[in-house]
Amino acid sequence: GESVGLHLPTLSVQEGDNSIINCAYSNSASDYFIWYKQESGKGPQFIIDIRSNMDKRQGQRVTVLLNKTVKHLSLQIAATQPGDSAVYFCADLLSGAGSYQLTFGKGTKLSVIP
Amino acid sequence: DSGVTQTPKHLITATGQRVTLRCSPRSGDLSVYWYQQSLDQGLQFLIQYYNGEERAKGNILERFSAQQFPDLHSELNLSSLELGDSALYFCASSVDMGQGYTFGSGTRLTVV
Repeated sequence: GESVGLHLPTLSVQEGDNSIINCAYSNSASDYFIWYKQESGKGPQFIIDIRSNMDKRQGQRVTVLLNKTVKHLSLQIAATQPGDSAVYFCADLLSGAGSYQLTFGKGTKLSVIP
Repeated sequence: DSGVTQTPKHLITATGQRVTLRCSPRSGDLSVYWYQQSLDQGLQFLIQYYNGEERAKGNILERFSAQQFPDLHSELNLSSLELGDSALYFCASSVDMGQGYTFGSGTRLTVV
């Protein structure tokens, strides 16, 4: 089964507000997590990643928080813009026997209200 | 443009047929991954190749097969197609394993 999952399938936010998208993972051995953005008709686009030896990582308008105690990570988008409307996936990289497998959650659809 | 090229972009075929999807990874990337995305299943990992060798298998059906060629491009072969195989098929590549992947724009397969 999947090792990651998303709390909410949809999220609507007002333009200019901050967005928070949550994700839970089940494999305590997971040590690398990635957030992807997928716009309609396009492939997933890398947003930000974080390794398990970190609690927080910031990018441009985005921040990922990792809580290993409760196996939870979140993606925060500051000053959400209409262009942020998309489906957001968290992914968990599992390694073993010389291979790596990126496992995706089902995604959260973010809708930005102008 | 992500640098990962997938062809064709769209494919419509009948049940029972066989199709081949092609992926050219980003220049310098040795790993290629195939994913299937359907409406109710999200992104499902199918198979991974690294420098021509199969490295990991996910939920890939026996009717599906893939290979990575010496020039590092990869092909995903889907045979005895069923209506349920209709989906988006994505290819991703990475320079090495264990790093963030770059995805192509996908091939939309419709089986009628």
